Amino acid sequence: QVQLQESGPGLVKPSETLSLTCTVSGGSISSYYWSWIRQPPGKGLEWIGYIYYTGSTKYNPSLSSRVTISVDTSRNQFSLRLNSVTAADTAMYFCTRVNVHGHSDSWGQGTLVTVSS
Amino acid sequence: DIVVTQSPDSLAVSLGGRATISCKSSQTVLSSSNHKNYLGWYQQKPGQSPKLLIYWASIRESGVPDRFSGTGSGTDFTLTISSLQAEDVAVYYCQQYYTIPYTFGQGTKLEIK
Repeated sequence: QVQLQESGPGLVKPSETLSLTCTVSGGSISSYYWSWIRQPPGKGLEWIGYIYYTGSTKYNPSLSSRVTISVDTSRNQFSLRLNSVTAADTAMYFCTRVNVHGHSDSWGQGTLVTVSS
Repeated sequence: DIVVTQSPDSLAVSLGGRATISCKSSQTVLSSSNHKNYLGWYQQKPGQSPKLLIYWASIRESGVPDRFSGTGSGTDFTLTISSLQAEDVAVYYCQQYYTIPYTFGQGTKLEIK
């Protein structure tokens, strides 16, 4: 049973960069897609993007100018960087395993990131 | 972007009763090449991360009770819980994964009446 765990700072200052890592255990990061999804407090879900273990990526166009998703297969981890954050980026950030066809079949518990000075 | 709209926003059903949630997409999510609907349903209980219930619009994920069922095709989909249990209290989301950006409905909050 694969498990995913997000980690990173819970507080980021406006205009700075949000950086999160997702560690995958109980299975290999190879042969799957991996995504980031976020949820502002009390609101719905927003797809940020995904990465294949080879490094190929797709991003939400609404965030693509500020987002980078990368993968480190040697550590069984993938990461999210979001530049120039504002209060609107305050959210619970989830990492997920994505089935080859697109649905997220395993989710991390999420990590809350607050953007505030 | 494909806009996904759920109805109702909230729903109260008696224990043992039937709950029905609708999901409509602004464009078809039915692939003409493999005849599959790229539509999933997720359950998010309070304080938890979402959990996949249904994919391909009607296929239950392993371990999901058979009281959960998904139907529909093209742009109109339905999640039905046939006999509501107390543990089914949650927010339910549908998601299209046919076109990037993948998009979610706004969620339907299900409560016990």
